[in-house]
Amino acid sequence: IQMTQSPSSLSASVGDRVVITCRASQNIRTYLNWYQQKPGKAPRLLIYDAYRLESGVPSRFSGSGSGTDFTLTISSLQPEDFATYYCQQSYRSPPLTFGGGTKVEVK
Amino acid sequence: QVQLVESGGGLVKPGGSLRLSCAASGFTFRDFYMVWIREAPGKGLQWVSFISSSGQTTYYADSVKGRFTISRDNAKNSLYLQLNNLRPEDSAVYYCASPPAPAANEYFRHWGQGTQVTVSS
Repeated sequence: IQMTQSPSSLSASVGDRVVITCRASQNIRTYLNWYQQKPGKAPRLLIYDAYRLESGVPSRFSGSGSGTDFTLTISSLQPEDFATYYCQQSYRSPPLTFGGGTKVEVK
Repeated sequence: QVQLVESGGGLVKPGGSLRLSCAASGFTFRDFYMVWIREAPGKGLQWVSFISSSGQTTYYADSVKGRFTISRDNAKNSLYLQLNNLRPEDSAVYYCASPPAPAANEYFRHWGQGTQVTVSS
């Protein structure tokens, strides 16, 4: 299953609403997860099962979608949110597959 | 708390070998399946291999099949990845990761800090 993220990068300012899209090559129901990764650090789970917020993750992060189209929304971007974000399908494996990543940079 | 600590990375020539280790603590390791995931520069995250809780079932990405071997020692709470016939494109940070629960779907709450593998002559 191919996972396609868009955009591959974006520039935003603190306080902006940011939306990242992930598209699956086939129906994956809600088996979609989102991770945040900062340079030199391991990925951090943000959202699982398309919309379930991982414990300890701020509520400004939200996920939606089902089937083939999904979004990760950051309602008000904070300084600590500048990072790369990945989607990952867990509907069918092997192989598990990730999107190509979206880098959120300072505008 | 759950802790995963990788080791064993390094600089190796093409065709060489390495053995990565992941020491687990803070959970009942023998009950959990485990995976290796790598991050190559500019290439994002790539799932590499899976091993069931017992070690009887293993899966590999096509790009490493026949060259890498995943294993575990539940008595030592340890996960391994044997990397043989290494290629420059295997250069990456390798992470071990575990799911949030033994029977959980394949998403990963816990990750190690990563170990760098560099394949270069």
